[in-house]
Amino acid sequence: ELKVEQNPLFLSMQEGKNYTIYCNYSTTSDRLYWYRQDPGKSLESLFVLLSNGAVKQEGRLMASLDTKARLSTLHITAAVHDLSATYFCAVDTLDSGYSTLTFGKGTMLLVSP
Amino acid sequence: DAGITQSPRHKVTETGTPVTLRCHQTENHRYMYWYRQDPGHGLRLIHYSYGVKDTDKGEVSDGYSVSRSKTEDFLLTLESATSSQTSVYFCAISGSGRGYGYTFGSGTRLTVV
Repeated sequence: ELKVEQNPLFLSMQEGKNYTIYCNYSTTSDRLYWYRQDPGKSLESLFVLLSNGAVKQEGRLMASLDTKARLSTLHITAAVHDLSATYFCAVDTLDSGYSTLTFGKGTMLLVSP
Repeated sequence: DAGITQSPRHKVTETGTPVTLRCHQTENHRYMYWYRQDPGHGLRLIHYSYGVKDTDKGEVSDGYSVSRSKTEDFLLTLESATSSQTSVYFCAISGSGRGYGYTFGSGTRLTVV
């Protein structure tokens, strides 16, 4: 059974600080997604990482994937309040030959002044 | 979200009653998924479909059934709702091929009393 572990599960940061969210998974996969969810809302796609060594950046967020270590990171640079949300990683694996996503439990990020 | 709609958005039902949630897409995507989201669990896969009349179980399928008679519609049925099925349900769609990306609907908040 695939396990996807995110840590930390809760992160309180001050504006301007840097931090990294980690996503470890237990089986081979070369496809990983990061999503953002605001309270009461749907999931918004942030990054799609499709190969070992993939690095994607958008604004203050940067995601990377190391398939050998089965690890993805989401790095936050100089956090601002607008980044407050819950962030999920999701691993894309084949189930009976078809792609499905397995999610981590999410990291609730709170950025305060 | 554009191209995918869920109905109803909110529903309160009594224990033991049948409930059907609908996911409708206009993207002509082959793959459709039902997830449930509960605090502390992230999103967990209930059922998925890889074509008309082709469905398979996910991680938490007990107590749920699905049907897909048309490409655009994927129905999730709780045959006899229980309080443990109180949750937020998300539908997702994906085009053919891995790494195509997943788009999530706005969610249905279901409360079983």
